[in-house]
Amino acid sequence: SQTIHQWPATLVQPVGSPLSLECTVEGTSNPNLYWYRQAAGRGLQLLFYSVGIGQISSEVPQNLSASRPQDRQFILSSKKLLLSDSGFYLCAWTQGVNGYTFGSGTRLTVV
Amino acid sequence: AQSVSQHNHHVILSEAASLELGCNYSYGGTVNLFWYVQYPGQHLQLLLKYFSGDPLVKGIKGFEAEFIKSKFSFNLRKPSVQWSDTAEYFCAVRESGYSTLTFGKGTMLLVSP
Repeated sequence: SQTIHQWPATLVQPVGSPLSLECTVEGTSNPNLYWYRQAAGRGLQLLFYSVGIGQISSEVPQNLSASRPQDRQFILSSKKLLLSDSGFYLCAWTQGVNGYTFGSGTRLTVV
Repeated sequence: AQSVSQHNHHVILSEAASLELGCNYSYGGTVNLFWYVQYPGQHLQLLLKYFSGDPLVKGIKGFEAEFIKSKFSFNLRKPSVQWSDTAEYFCAVRESGYSTLTFGKGTMLLVSP
């Protein structure tokens, strides 16, 4: 069966520090992968998605970037975090026209 | 751009009350529609989905939703809620042929025992 792993679960980082959040999917190949940010009262905002290795589409220009170095690995990064980057980050995958399967999320607090 | 509106940000019900959560979307073409649920401390889970066919779709835990194309709506219903239905509910829409979902802002449902 397919599973999605996302880590770390929580992270506290100082302003200006780098960020790397990792997401991996098991039990499937060539999934579509997504990074969302969830904020209270504002729903889920799509940040990046990828339909294949090295293919990244950005939905919202900001201080973050994404990479897909392997078929089932999706990484969210920042060179210098801002206070406004705090939030709950969710990774998700899908294949074909199915709905998404979400990871458990990372709570990022920038201090 | 596609947008999704969920009418209520917070809903409070007593157990056994009936539930209807509103969802409207803006895209006029063919869409796929979803409801997701996030229970306290848990990750988002798919509740039900509509792709085509019968506009009344049934999901897990007694939930159902009705797609009304003329109203651009996909409202979620449950005849009798339980305390365990306390959660945040998200409506999402995908334009047919695209892979990305657009989510509403969510509705927090609190069911009092």
